[in-house]
Amino acid sequence: AQSVTQPDIHITVSEGASLELRCNYSYGATPYLFWYVQSPGQGLQLLLKYFSGDTLVQGIKGFEAEFKRSQSSFNLRKPSVHWSDAAEYFCAVGVDTNAGKSTFGDGTTLTVKP
Amino acid sequence: NAGVTQTPKFQVLKTGQSMTLQCAQDMNHEYMSWYRQDPGMGLRLIHYSVGAGITDQGEVPNGYNVSRSTTEDFPLRLLSAAPSQTSVYFCASSYRGYNSPLHFGNGTRLTVT
Repeated sequence: AQSVTQPDIHITVSEGASLELRCNYSYGATPYLFWYVQSPGQGLQLLLKYFSGDTLVQGIKGFEAEFKRSQSSFNLRKPSVHWSDAAEYFCAVGVDTNAGKSTFGDGTTLTVKP
Repeated sequence: NAGVTQTPKFQVLKTGQSMTLQCAQDMNHEYMSWYRQDPGMGLRLIHYSVGAGITDQGEVPNGYNVSRSTTEDFPLRLLSAAPSQTSVYFCASSYRGYNSPLHFGNGTRLTVT
């Protein structure tokens, strides 16, 4: 069965600093990968997705992620963090045996220091 | 654009009570699903549907029932609430399934005492 691991439960960065959130997946074939962001009291919003092709994908709010097949990773990055980026971030994988379903990591909470 | 609408936003139940969490989407999505979110455990799939009249169990289905009589609506029923069902519940929909992102509602925070 597929699985997603987000090794960092909580990350704190200073405003203006760069950010990298880690995501590792387990799946036999090429997965469909997503990053979602959840602000307090809200549902999850899609940041970006990877299906195939270029391994560096751009998303909303200045985020990008890089798919590395050899490392089974899909890490999320942002060059300069803003205070409004403080939220919980979820990596997810969709696989072709699961119609309309995704498997989520446990999430990483981002705190931004002024 | 309403997207995915969940009601109520908050609910408190006593053990043994029943209730239905409502979910409606106006995007004509075929696929709909229910997740629960618990601290440190990410989102876990409860039930999902690939179209009207078709439902199936997810990872944690016990204690929950669903039905899908229309494309738009996918209610989640708790027949006899238990404290272990205290959680935040999210409804989601998607267009084509595994390669389409999920669109989420804003959640229902349920407390069972």
